[in-house]
Amino acid sequence: GDSVTQMEGPVTLSEEAFLTINCTYTATGYPSLFWYVQYPGEGLQLLLKATKADDKGSNKGFEATYRKETTSFHLEKGSVQVSDSAVYFCALRNSGGSNYKLTFGKGTLLTVNP
Amino acid sequence: DTAVSQTPKYLVTQMGNDKSIKCEQNLGHDTMYWYKQDSKKFLKIMFSYNNKELIINETVPNRFSPKSPDKAHLNLHINSLELGDSAVYFCASSQASRGGRNEQFFGPGTRLTVL
Repeated sequence: GDSVTQMEGPVTLSEEAFLTINCTYTATGYPSLFWYVQYPGEGLQLLLKATKADDKGSNKGFEATYRKETTSFHLEKGSVQVSDSAVYFCALRNSGGSNYKLTFGKGTLLTVNP
Repeated sequence: DTAVSQTPKYLVTQMGNDKSIKCEQNLGHDTMYWYKQDSKKFLKIMFSYNNKELIINETVPNRFSPKSPDKAHLNLHINSLELGDSAVYFCASSQASRGGRNEQFFGPGTRLTVL
């Protein structure tokens, strides 16, 4: 079945540091890939997405590129801020049939210190 | 206006009780979902309805019963609550399409605590 593996946290960085959160996936077919963010005490928000190979999703300074050859969708940001502190979830959604569920990774807690 | 809303936000109850969580979306979407987030933040799909029809039913105890009175609502009823049911439950909605490209919008979550 489909699965998503993302790097274990927690990740603690200083403000303006470079961020990478690794995400790899296993899926049949051609999944769409997503990064969701969950700020403390809130629900999930879509951060960015990519729907086909070599697509780059970007939002709020975050980027991730859909790499089919390495089955990866790593999240990067050049300079993190304290306000980026949150849990980040990598997810995939497969294109098969009428099953539209998201399969999530286990989440990575990011803490950014001033 | 809130796109996906859930009530209640917090629910504290005793083991053995029956409780319901309600979800409403005003986005005009045709597909709604329930996810469970455990204490380690792991998120897993429970159910999905498309046009009021159940299309996903993961391995969930039959004490959990979703009900979709119309496309804008998907409620979750839980019978005989157990300690292990304590979690945050998220409702989500999307517009179904081929390729599954459409974003799912999530509600704020309902934190259920079973004592």
